[in-house]
Amino acid sequence: AQSVAQPEDQVNVAEGNPLTVKCTYSVSGNPYLFWYVQYPNRGLQFLLKYITGDNLVKGSYGFEAEFNKSQTSFHLKKPSALVSDSALYFCAVRPMDSNYQLIWGAGTKLIIKP
Amino acid sequence: ETGVTQTPRHLVMGMTNKKSLKCEQHLGHNAMYWYKQSAKKPLELMFVYNFKEQTENNSVPSRFSPECPNSSHLFLHLHTLQPEDSALYLCASSQDRGQGDEKLFFGSGTQLSVL
Repeated sequence: AQSVAQPEDQVNVAEGNPLTVKCTYSVSGNPYLFWYVQYPNRGLQFLLKYITGDNLVKGSYGFEAEFNKSQTSFHLKKPSALVSDSALYFCAVRPMDSNYQLIWGAGTKLIIKP
Repeated sequence: ETGVTQTPRHLVMGMTNKKSLKCEQHLGHNAMYWYKQSAKKPLELMFVYNFKEQTENNSVPSRFSPECPNSSHLFLHLHTLQPEDSALYLCASSQDRGQGDEKLFFGSGTQLSVL
């Protein structure tokens, strides 16, 4: 079965430190990869996507993600965390043979401490 | 704001009630979605409409009934729900170009509690 794993329920980082939120997937073919963020009491917002090309993708709010085909991973990163980055982060994958189905991870709660 | 508005924000209903969730998008998109979000679980796609036609129904129980009168409005009619249906219900839209890389725009959701 196709799946997306976000192995950490919660990640704690001190403000100013680099952060990584992990995502691995098990999907056939070359899927499209996405990251979304959900702030408290809000819907999800698109952060970035990988379609093809450069393995390092830059997105909103200073976030970037690194695609690793051999490890089937798409980790979200930021060089210097802000308290305002505290939120719930979702990784999602769209298989090439899918019209609308996104396979979602369960989410990782990111807490940035001052 | 993302341009997708959902009402109500919160809803408490009994198992015998009938209620409806409303979603409106002001982005000119042609595809609209209903998702169910439960704590610490992946989002569950419930229904997809493209140009008002339903294109996906992910084995959702019949107590959930979607309606899409036009490309800007989407409803989710609820009746005889179960306590396990309590969740955050998210509406989303996208400009579907058939390429699969389109991003979704989400509303803030309706937090549903079934007593």
